[in-house]
Amino acid sequence: AQSVTQPDARVTVSEGASLQLRCKYSYSATPYLFWYVQYPRQGLQLLLKYYSGDPVVQGVNSFEAEFSKSNSSFHLQKASVHWSDSAVYFCALSMANTNKVVFGTGTRLQVLP
Amino acid sequence: DTTVKQNPRYKLARVGKPVNLICSQTMNHDTMYWYQKKPNQAPKLLLFYYDKILNREADTFEKFQSSRPNNSFCSLYIGSAGLEYSAMYLCASSLGRGTEVFFGKGTRLTVV
Repeated sequence: AQSVTQPDARVTVSEGASLQLRCKYSYSATPYLFWYVQYPRQGLQLLLKYYSGDPVVQGVNSFEAEFSKSNSSFHLQKASVHWSDSAVYFCALSMANTNKVVFGTGTRLQVLP
Repeated sequence: DTTVKQNPRYKLARVGKPVNLICSQTMNHDTMYWYQKKPNQAPKLLLFYYDKILNREADTFEKFQSSRPNNSFCSLYIGSAGLEYSAMYLCASSLGRGTEVFFGKGTRLTVV
């Protein structure tokens, strides 16, 4: 069955530090992969997406993610975090042959000023 | 307007009573979804409409109903609420397969 695993429930970093949020997926065919962010009292918003081509994709607010087929991963990265990046981040998988979208459990990021 | 609207934002329901949640989008998206979100859990797909075709997940098949009277509106119906239905319910929409899914802010349902 298709699944998404985010192994880190919480991550705390200091402002200005670099960040990596991990995501592993399980899907036998070519996946469409997404990272969403949820700020307090807001809906989920798309950060970036990967369909094909260059494995490194750029998103909003200087986030980027790297797709690795060999590792079945799609880790989110940012070179220097800001306190306003504090939020919950969800990795998601969409399957090419269906409209279903499957989500990971999310990683709560806290950025210390 | 790339928003998905959900009403109400908060809903209080009694055990055993029905609950109806409403969602709308004006992006002419062909697919509308309902997810259930509980604390520290992944959003769980309950069902989705692709055009007029309803697809319900096997493990929630009997617990939730839905209707989509037109392209813009979609409802989620619980016939008899139980305590375990307390959660955030997220409505979403997308156009085509493998595309961005747009989410509403959710309806927080509390069953007492």
